[in-house]
Amino acid sequence: GENVEQHPSTLSVQEGDSAVIKCTYSDSASNYFPWYKQELGKRPQLIIDIRSNVGEKKDQRIAVTLNKTAKHFSLHITETQPEDSAVYFCAASIAGRRALTFGSGTRLQVQP
Amino acid sequence: NAGVTQTPKFRVLKTGQSMTLLCAQDMNHEYMYWYRQDPGMGLRLIHYSVGEGTTAKGEVPDGYNVSRLKKQNFLLGLESAAPSQTSVYFCASSYPAGGKLLSSYNEQFFGPGTRLTVL
Repeated sequence: GENVEQHPSTLSVQEGDSAVIKCTYSDSASNYFPWYKQELGKRPQLIIDIRSNVGEKKDQRIAVTLNKTAKHFSLHITETQPEDSAVYFCAASIAGRRALTFGSGTRLQVQP
Repeated sequence: NAGVTQTPKFRVLKTGQSMTLLCAQDMNHEYMYWYRQDPGMGLRLIHYSVGEGTTAKGEVPDGYNVSRLKKQNFLLGLESAAPSQTSVYFCASSYPAGGKLLSSYNEQFFGPGTRLTVL
């Protein structure tokens, strides 16, 4: 089955700095890579996703890049703000299936 | 629309007791999922369903059973609870009816979670 590894497990940045979270996946058949944000005590919510036919996608301060050859994808947050503090999860889905395999999560703390 | 709801929000069980967690969605989604979330381990898929009357095992199905008798509901059962099942359980749904199965990549919408403690 699919295996998704996520790094780092914790990340602390100063407000205004950039943050990068990286994930690798094992199954080359995976073709959908979403990122979820989970605030303390809340449910995970989708913030951005990318399909395997696209190398990069951007939405305001958030961007995701995908390298299919190396089987890794990354989340980039620019101009971080205190409200970006949360746990971020990457995930991968294999073509033809709908279930997601999640990474172990990254706790991002943005220091004001 | 309420989206995805879960009942109950919190529950404490003793070892060996049984219980059922209820997930309901009003988005006419075909697919529903049960995950458990443990510290440092992300979300792990327990069971999922691709339609009414169908269920399938996920990554960690042992000790759990599920049923999808109605499209909008997905039940997760613990027949004999164990301390290892202490966790936060999330239900999710995706894939609106009528979507294009082969070309659509559907966002999973999560419920608010159920915090279960087994003593």
